[in-house]
Amino acid sequence: GAGVSQTPSNKVTEKGKYVELRCDPISGHTALYWYRQSLGQGPEFLIYFQGTGAADDSGLPNDRFFAVRPEGSVSTLKIQRTERGDSAVYLCASSPYDRGGEQYFGPGTRLTVT
Amino acid sequence: KQEVTQIPAALSVPEGENLVLNCSFTDSAIYNLQWFRQDPGKGLTSLLLIQSSQREQTSGRLNASLDKSSGRSTLYIAASQPGDSATYLCAVRRSQGAQKLVFGQGTRLTINP
Repeated sequence: GAGVSQTPSNKVTEKGKYVELRCDPISGHTALYWYRQSLGQGPEFLIYFQGTGAADDSGLPNDRFFAVRPEGSVSTLKIQRTERGDSAVYLCASSPYDRGGEQYFGPGTRLTVT
Repeated sequence: KQEVTQIPAALSVPEGENLVLNCSFTDSAIYNLQWFRQDPGKGLTSLLLIQSSQREQTSGRLNASLDKSSGRSTLYIAASQPGDSATYLCAVRRSQGAQKLVFGQGTRLTINP
């Protein structure tokens, strides 16, 4: 079946602009996660949704970052007033309701802030 | 705070060799540990998941072991092939309720033909 998909695959934006990154999880997966990966580093957790609600947003770096999942499927990560330090690959993952389940990752969106 | 370390950061070996990648974590109270593969410019592919009650998991030429008490996991790759070249990441999950994964920085593996 189809895996996790993310759009766009690449996004270049100017400092100060607003961006939205989209994630389509595997059908039927109730849990959805966002991570951020800087060059040469492992991914770092940003936020986790169970259904429509954010169950853990402790990884969001500041209030410029916000994520939604209004219908419990597709999620959008929103970044306001982008800064050069926001440049990274943003990864989305999903997992089934089973709390012991593996997380399945999408290909990521590479964000470059100029 | 859980910290995950992978050593070495990079490894280059000739084709056909067996090799071991290491992962250590500071807090032994984990729920499970997952090994991933990442190809350049790509997302993560899950290789193996070991629950805290398990000692090892195997898939084909891959074998992952877990020693919770010492805070260590190893990924063993048998008969390495050039197609195994990638970055390998380990990640731990703290509890059944805490869903987030804490990742190491990865080991970049190169298999030379």
